[in-house]
Amino acid sequence: EVQLLESGGGLVQPGGSLRLSCAASGFTFSKYAMSWVRQAPGKGLEWVSAISGSGGGTYYADSVQGRFTISRDNSKNTLYLQMNSLRAEDTAVYFCAKSGSGWFLFDYWGQGTQVTVSS
Amino acid sequence: DIQMTQSPSSLSASVGDRVTITCRASQGIRNDLGWYQQKPGKAPKRLIYAASTLQSGVPSRFSGSGSGTEFTLTISSLQPEDFATYYCLQHNSYPPTFGQGTKVEI
Repeated sequence: EVQLLESGGGLVQPGGSLRLSCAASGFTFSKYAMSWVRQAPGKGLEWVSAISGSGGGTYYADSVQGRFTISRDNSKNTLYLQMNSLRAEDTAVYFCAKSGSGWFLFDYWGQGTQVTVSS
Repeated sequence: DIQMTQSPSSLSASVGDRVTITCRASQGIRNDLGWYQQKPGKAPKRLIYAASTLQSGVPSRFSGSGSGTEFTLTISSLQPEDFATYYCLQHNSYPPTFGQGTKVEI
């Protein structure tokens, strides 16, 4: 059974940093691209960033380019999102999502972790 | 970026009703579209991929159709557990983009 468990969310001041983690199990982690998708309070879904199975390729939404860094440790079956220079508009639940075939064909999602940016 | 326009944004329905949700893409995306169901406080769950292929384990009352720019998700007979918000996602063109969601309420 595929399981994705996010952690690392919390309350941070504007301009601060946070690192999210997503622990994966139930599949061969290194074979699949992974993404982070966020959902602001009462809003829809927004794709944030993606990384290839090997970790050699990454993509970012314009809204986070230059501030967020996605990475993965295939030996630990863990996905990360380093978030710097956080803004109020980054407040959201952050989900990790596994891709099936291709980069953005999300087939399984974690339960999410809340990030709140506020002074 | 490809814009995905979902309609309606919300609807009221009763158990047993047939419900149809539409997603329109701002340009052609072949059949590179998925449908997701999200319940409050939960992760999205994939229902349909490749526009019309039912995800394993999803009840057959859910179906998808369409290609190019217009797509539909149909629930043939609404059940109590189907009250949720539904999103479409295009993955034909980078960046992937979601519709704004359709909330199905009693």
